[in-house]
Amino acid sequence: AIQMTQSPFSLSASVGDTVTITCRASQDIRNDLGWFQQKAGRAPKLLIFSASTLQSGVPSRFSGSGSGTDFTLTISSLQPEDFATYYCLQDYNYPRTFGQGTKVEI
Amino acid sequence: QVQLVESGGGVVQPGRSLRLSCEASGFNFYSYAMHWARQAPGKGLEWVAVIWYDGSKKEYADSVKGRFTISRDNSKNTVYLHMDSLRAEDAAVYYCARDLLRYSGYDTVDYWGQGTLVTVSS
Repeated sequence: AIQMTQSPFSLSASVGDTVTITCRASQDIRNDLGWFQQKAGRAPKLLIFSASTLQSGVPSRFSGSGSGTDFTLTISSLQPEDFATYYCLQDYNYPRTFGQGTKVEI
Repeated sequence: QVQLVESGGGVVQPGRSLRLSCEASGFNFYSYAMHWARQAPGKGLEWVAVIWYDGSKKEYADSVKGRFTISRDNSKNTVYLHMDSLRAEDAAVYYCARDLLRYSGYDTVDYWGQGTLVTVSS
């Protein structure tokens, strides 16, 4: 199975900051990567698919980049509602695998 | 609007079985692959299984292969997860989720249900 290594495990930030979360795949996965946001007690929400395509309705301060093995989620001008845990998910092959998650805290 | 509603969770003894259901509405269920994922308390997300839109193909995580079976009934807009030989490590919130694109199974997931909690305890 492809291993997805996400970093950092957690980070502290302030409203208005720009934060970057990275995800590294154990093999080339082209651009077959999605990013999800999960708030406590809630289901995950798709933010970005195909590494860089913003899902409909997601604010433009979220952006994704990368291909091959290295990927980045960037949140520009962090808003109060962005404090959550973020996961990457590879959809290159089965079994699908998630990164370990990054908790963005105030 | 797209809705996915899971049910069937509860407390079950180790070694016993449980069947989860996920009823879909608001979209053409028959044309989408459906997934199950889970999240143990305080832990990250783990993908569990997928079934193609027509039921022709199924894939499983290694951790559940041979014990869990995914199925669907397109006439009832429902996907199921039958779990046998449950272990303590299977305790989690189980989510169903829809594949992003129609007539595929090779994409990420977009919509998720609210989850159903499975507790494995004697």
